[in-house]
Amino acid sequence: EVQLVESGGGLVQPGRSLKLSCVASGFTFSNYGMNWIRQAPGKGLEWVAYISSGSSYIYYAETVKGRFTISRDNAKNTLYLQMTSLRSEDTALYYCARRDVMDAWGQGASVTVSS
Amino acid sequence: DIVMTQSPFSLAVSEGEMVTINCKSSQSLLSSGNQKNYLAWYQQKPGQSPKLLIYYASTRQSGVPDRFIGSGSGTDFTLTISDVQAEDLADYYCLQHYSYPDTFGAGTKLELK
Repeated sequence: EVQLVESGGGLVQPGRSLKLSCVASGFTFSNYGMNWIRQAPGKGLEWVAYISSGSSYIYYAETVKGRFTISRDNAKNTLYLQMTSLRSEDTALYYCARRDVMDAWGQGASVTVSS
Repeated sequence: DIVMTQSPFSLAVSEGEMVTINCKSSQSLLSSGNQKNYLAWYQQKPGQSPKLLIYYASTRQSGVPDRFIGSGSGTDFTLTISDVQAEDLADYYCLQHYSYPDTFGAGTKLELK
């Protein structure tokens, strides 16, 4: 069974940093590109970032470019999202999702940016 | 960036009815190389993660009931749900993954009349 489990969320002050992780199981992680998508409370879905299977291709939404870094460790079956200079508008549930069509999603990690 | 205009914002239906949700993209999502439309549909029930229903505009994901039908090409796409069931009440989103940044439609809330 394909599983994606996010962790690392929490309450953080504006301007601070946080690193999310997404551990994959049930499939060959190193064969798939991965995404981060977020959903602010009561709002719709917003794509955040993508990383290809071998990390050669990386793309970001303009709203996070320069502040967030997506990475992966295929040996650990883990996807990461390093978030810096956090703002209140980054408050959201952050999901990891598999491949371009996003055919598998985790349960989400909650990030709240507030003083 | 490709803008996805999804309509309607909400829809109230009775069980057994048919509903259509529309998504219009600001640019064609049809790849000339493989003739695939890079458009997907997702269902999100309250408190749950989104679930892929349809990809490449019309291919049903494994396990998705055949009452969910995706259609369209180029810039105009439709998700049709025939014989709506109570379990179908959810938010629905379209996604274009033709070019980065990927962009979602604003969502359609399907409610019970």
